[in-house]
Amino acid sequence: AQSVTQPDIHITVSEGASLELRCNYSYGATPYLFWYVQSPGQGLQLLLKYFSGDTLVQGIKGFEAEFKRSQSSFNLRKPSVHWSDAAEYFCAVGDSGNTPLVFGKGTRLSVIA
Amino acid sequence: NAGVTQTPKFRILKIGQSMTLQCTQDMNHNYMYWYRQDPGMGLKLIYYSVGAGITDKGEVPNGYNVSRSTTEDFPLRLELAAPSQTSVYFCASSLGATGGYTFGSGTRLTVV
Repeated sequence: AQSVTQPDIHITVSEGASLELRCNYSYGATPYLFWYVQSPGQGLQLLLKYFSGDTLVQGIKGFEAEFKRSQSSFNLRKPSVHWSDAAEYFCAVGDSGNTPLVFGKGTRLSVIA
Repeated sequence: NAGVTQTPKFRILKIGQSMTLQCTQDMNHNYMYWYRQDPGMGLKLIYYSVGAGITDKGEVPNGYNVSRSTTEDFPLRLELAAPSQTSVYFCASSLGATGGYTFGSGTRLTVV
């Protein structure tokens, strides 16, 4: 069965600092991987996705993620965090067979001045 | 385009009452999903549908029912509300595996 682990429950970074949110997955075949962001009181918004090709993918709001098959990871990065990036971030895994996505438990990002 | 619309946004139910959470999408997506979100637990799949007339159970279906009579609508029914069903419920839709999901803004349900 597919599973997703986000090891960090809560991360605090200073505005302007770089960010990396970790995501590890368990899946036998080639996974389809996604990052979503949820602002307080809102639904989830797709940041970026990977299912084939270049292992470094670019998303919205200046985010990127790198797929590393050898480490079963799909970490999310941003070079310079803005206060508006404070939110909860979810990693999710799916497959080509349209199996419903399995979500991690999320990482809450706080941004301090 | 409205995307995925969920109603109501908030609801308080008494134990044993029933209600339907509405979900409508205007993107002609075949796939639709219901998830519940509890603090620190991420999203858990309740039910999903791959097209009109077809539904299937997810990870936590007990206490819920769904129907999919049209492509646009995917209502979630709670028959006998219990405190354990206090949660935030999200409906989502997708074209397929590579498209990612479009989420509604959620329904916050409290059962007292």
